[in-house]
Amino acid sequence: AQRVTQPEKLLSVFKGAPVELKCNYSYSGSPELFWYVQYSRQRLQLLLRHISRESIKGFTADLNKGETSFHLKKPFAQEEDSAMYYCALMRKTSYDKVIFGPGTSLSVIP
Amino acid sequence: SAVISQKPSRDICQRGTSLTIQCQVDSQVTMMFWYRQQPGQSLTLIATANQGSEATYESGFVIDKFPISRPNLTFSTLTVSNMSPEDSSIYLCSATSGTYTGELFFGEGSRLTVL
Repeated sequence: AQRVTQPEKLLSVFKGAPVELKCNYSYSGSPELFWYVQYSRQRLQLLLRHISRESIKGFTADLNKGETSFHLKKPFAQEEDSAMYYCALMRKTSYDKVIFGPGTSLSVIP
Repeated sequence: SAVISQKPSRDICQRGTSLTIQCQVDSQVTMMFWYRQQPGQSLTLIATANQGSEATYESGFVIDKFPISRPNLTFSTLTVSNMSPEDSSIYLCSATSGTYTGELFFGEGSRLTVL
């Protein structure tokens, strides 16, 4: 069955420190993976997708099919990065749908 | 992109009653979805709202409990029927436009508390 796991429910880092939010998935097909972010009092929004291979707000994520991982990384955390982060997988069946992981709450300590 | 408005934003309901949540998108979108986020949990897909036809429900969700309508490309409703305290959740409407790439736009959510 398709599944997305995020082992850390809470993650705290100091400002300026590197941050890595872990995501693993299980999917029999060719995955399309995403990171969504929800800042305090804002709606959930797309941060980045693996297919774009882009860096958004200093964040990058590399799809590792061998390890079935899609970890989110940033070399220097900023206070404004504090938010809830959800890893997500688009499941392509007869109709497409997005499945979300449990989420990691990132807190950047000043 | 798409801007999604949901109402009500929150409500407190009595056990056994039903509540309808409305979702309005500011532009024509191809796909609309309803998600549930229970306290401390992640988002769970309830169903895909299909225009002019019955919604496609995920495992564990049924039409009698969560009837969904989508009369046009910009509007959908989700009804939570015969509510119990276990239905206390945030219900999120989401949509995508153009070719579905997996990018979803979300409403602010409707927080329901069932007493």
